[in-house]
Amino acid sequence: SQQGEEDPQALSIQEGENATMNCSYKTSINNLQWYRQNSGRGLVHLILIRSNEREKHSGRLRVTLDTSKKSSSLLITASRAADTASYFCAEGGYGGSQGNLIFGKGTKLSVKP
Amino acid sequence: NAGVTQTPKFQVLKTGQSMTLQCAQDMNHNSMYWYRQDPGMGLRLIYYSASEGTTDKGEVPNGYNVSRLNKREFSLRLESAAPSQTSVYFCASSALTGAGSQGAQHFGDGTRLSIL
Repeated sequence: SQQGEEDPQALSIQEGENATMNCSYKTSINNLQWYRQNSGRGLVHLILIRSNEREKHSGRLRVTLDTSKKSSSLLITASRAADTASYFCAEGGYGGSQGNLIFGKGTKLSVKP
Repeated sequence: NAGVTQTPKFQVLKTGQSMTLQCAQDMNHNSMYWYRQDPGMGLRLIYYSASEGTTDKGEVPNGYNVSRLNKREFSLRLESAAPSQTSVYFCASSALTGAGSQGAQHFGDGTRLSIL
């Protein structure tokens, strides 16, 4: 399997704390994407970072990318109970079948009120 | 503003039965995908359609067939269901980025399929 891996597999924090999730990947990427999945629902796209970018922000989300280490991290600041979900990274390659996303196995985040 | 719609939401089959999972998107995306999600395995690509009229195998295509009916619709068929195909199935669609790589994928809410 070419799946990357998220770390940790599960994370439990208190509301207001920051949550950091890491992703290691294996292929040469065009972009790296992060998704959220609430229980019983489909995945929702959060943010896309291109291979020539090192950091990207979207609201309370901050994503970093280190292509030399083939790793990315997702930081959620000032977490809320509504952030409770599973978070997945996905590698996007270059063109054709290589452009299909390869999803990791996810980090399950629990934010306690 | 429906996005990606999957039907049915739940289904129970007996081993050997056949069924078709339906998916439609209203975002004018060229590319569509079928994934399965199993506990601890993340999402695995079954089949994809890069554009209308084309379909290709993904990581786990055995036991499945697909049809890209038109630009909006992409169906997944189980010809003879097996217990190993018990899973949650997700359909997704996306547009290409300028580099030919896939942009953000939009997912339906899934079909929960149990095969007894």
